[in-house]
Amino acid sequence: NAGVTQTPKFQVLKTGQSMTLQCAQDMNHNSMYWYRQDPGMGLRLIYYSASEGTTDKGEVPNGYNVSRLNKREFSLRLESAAPSQTSVYFCASRQLAGAGYNEQFFGPGTRLTVL
Amino acid sequence: DAKTTQPTSMDCAEGRAANLPCNHSTISGNEYVYWYRQIHSQGPQYIIHGLKNNETNEMASLIITEDRKSSTLILPHATLRDTAVYYCIAHAGNNRKLIWGLGTSLAVNP
Repeated sequence: NAGVTQTPKFQVLKTGQSMTLQCAQDMNHNSMYWYRQDPGMGLRLIYYSASEGTTDKGEVPNGYNVSRLNKREFSLRLESAAPSQTSVYFCASRQLAGAGYNEQFFGPGTRLTVL
Repeated sequence: DAKTTQPTSMDCAEGRAANLPCNHSTISGNEYVYWYRQIHSQGPQYIIHGLKNNETNEMASLIITEDRKSSTLILPHATLRDTAVYYCIAHAGNNRKLIWGLGTSLAVNP
């Protein structure tokens, strides 16, 4: 199993450009998450999808949109990139949405720079 | 979800036990304590979690105080590869409130 995969690994954008970050998991997990991590900071939740067909805002959703394409795939879109969105983006998945007993599995990250 | 407090950084000698504390004094009864680590710019990796009882797996041990207001992650024989940022999270299931904090930067020295 590949686990959680993310594409691209690196990306440089100019202010105002748009792009979509792709995430896929092959563990048949129900829940998927998008985080951003800025230098010297912990992860902040952007959006999550508790199950296929549902999405919800996290702590920092402004400037982003998401699509849960199917059970495997969860994409993050920047419609008009801004320098403040320069960050490392991590996708994660989890078997179930509840806290109970199941951990999150993370992808390797996408390093995005907006000039 | 309850806020957690961790020391900013710690050092440990290679081969010795690393004991990483976490304070979660406002934790509620249905919140689990999770530990993850992040090795230099990689995606975080799950280590262990618990509710009330102490837990042990192949990576670490988790000691939770009886009042559940604090916990300690123990790496029994730290190696250089354990150098990472360790995150303690209290989580009850509200995904919107998954708060990661800044974690503890553990340096394992030769």
